[in-house]
Amino acid sequence: GENVEQHPSTLSVQEGDSAVIKCTYSDSASNYFPWYKQELGKGPQLIIDIRSNVGEKKDQRIAVTLNKTAKHFSLHITETQPEDSAVYFCAASNSRRGSTLGRLYFGRGTQLTVWP
Amino acid sequence: KAGVTQTPRYLIKTRGQQVTLSCSPISGHRSVSWYQQTPGQGLQFLFEYFSETQRNKGNFPGRFSGRQFSNSRSEMNVSTLELGDSALYLCASSSRMDRGYNEQFFGPGTRLTVL
Repeated sequence: GENVEQHPSTLSVQEGDSAVIKCTYSDSASNYFPWYKQELGKGPQLIIDIRSNVGEKKDQRIAVTLNKTAKHFSLHITETQPEDSAVYFCAASNSRRGSTLGRLYFGRGTQLTVWP
Repeated sequence: KAGVTQTPRYLIKTRGQQVTLSCSPISGHRSVSWYQQTPGQGLQFLFEYFSETQRNKGNFPGRFSGRQFSNSRSEMNVSTLELGDSALYLCASSSRMDRGYNEQFFGPGTRLTVL
């Protein structure tokens, strides 16, 4: 099956700085890569995703890049704010239109702390 | 649109008992997946239901089972509880067949503690 590795496990940044979280995956058939943010006591919240036919996607202060050849994808958060503090999970999935829904394989998470 | 709801939010059980957790997906979503989250193993896929049929299953023992009803609501059951079953059980809802890729939206989870 798919194996997703995520680094770093903890990340501390000063407010206003950028944060980068990196993930690698093993299955070249994976074609969908979501990122989730999980705050204490809550379920994971989908914040951005990217499909294998796209190299980069941006949504305000967050962006995701995908390198299919190297099998890695990254989350970039710019101008970090204290409310960005949470655990971030990357995931990979193989999901084709009309086929069985691809299960999500998750990385182990990154605890991001943004200091004011 | 209301999000994914899960009940109960917290449960305390003893070893050997069984438990049933409930999930109501986002209105219009027909796919429900279940995940187990623990500090040791992280987020692990349990199973996925679509149109009342189990479509995909993770690597969990037969004590873990589920079902989906005609209104897309889903339940999962764990029988003969073990201490290691203590976890946050998450339900994810997806429109699935409307798109080629599976955007999954998670509920708040049910925190199960086995004593």
